[in-house]
Amino acid sequence: VQLQQWGAGMLKPSETLSLTCAVYGEPFSGWSYNWMRQAPGKGLEWIGEINPSGSTRYNPSLKSVTMSVDTTKSQFSLRLTSVSAADTAVYYCARAEYSYIDEWGQGTLVIVSS
Amino acid sequence: QSVLPQPPSASGTPGQRVTISCSGSGSNVGTNSVNWYQHLPGTAPKLLIYDNIQRPSGVPDRFSGSKSGNSASLAISGLQSEDEADYFCASWDDSLNGWVFGGGTKLTVL
Repeated sequence: VQLQQWGAGMLKPSETLSLTCAVYGEPFSGWSYNWMRQAPGKGLEWIGEINPSGSTRYNPSLKSVTMSVDTTKSQFSLRLTSVSAADTAVYYCARAEYSYIDEWGQGTLVIVSS
Repeated sequence: QSVLPQPPSASGTPGQRVTISCSGSGSNVGTNSVNWYQHLPGTAPKLLIYDNIQRPSGVPDRFSGSKSGNSASLAISGLQSEDEADYFCASWDDSLNGWVFGGGTKLTVL
């Protein structure tokens, strides 16, 4: 299995962050899909989770987060609106079993700067 | 500051055994499985240990995990130069209803 992610790497404050992650090599169903981020010098932060049926849960500390899924393409996406410099981070997509995250994407560096 | 504190660095010489700790609380490590990852900069993190002690296929048995109460540890025996990387722990948190992570430990092979 391979998770491949993409999206804009440079944003201005107040713009919308949009990332997509595609899953290759194994069935899309039966797993949950997550987004995490790691700001410079900080640890990983869980952003939220979506499953193939579209149900979601988000980290309550983050506002303006939306996740979506396209099972026909084995893809899931992240949108974060009204970004600021505090949203500068490496963003990772990942697949999770019930009790562990087993596969990660390669990460996308997103820089928010005017 | 990470939810699961880890020492920022660790080191050892080839052949030595090193351990990396991960501290949590009753809402995460104390109740749920702990998983460990190896991360090289610019690459996808790699699962080393899941469900506290299990190794995915392909992970050498030099890597082992343990958990006691609200703390967990990753042990690497027979240290090799290729083990030089960042290692972080993760666990589900019942209060957050999401994943929490350690800050990562940078392992240097001297």
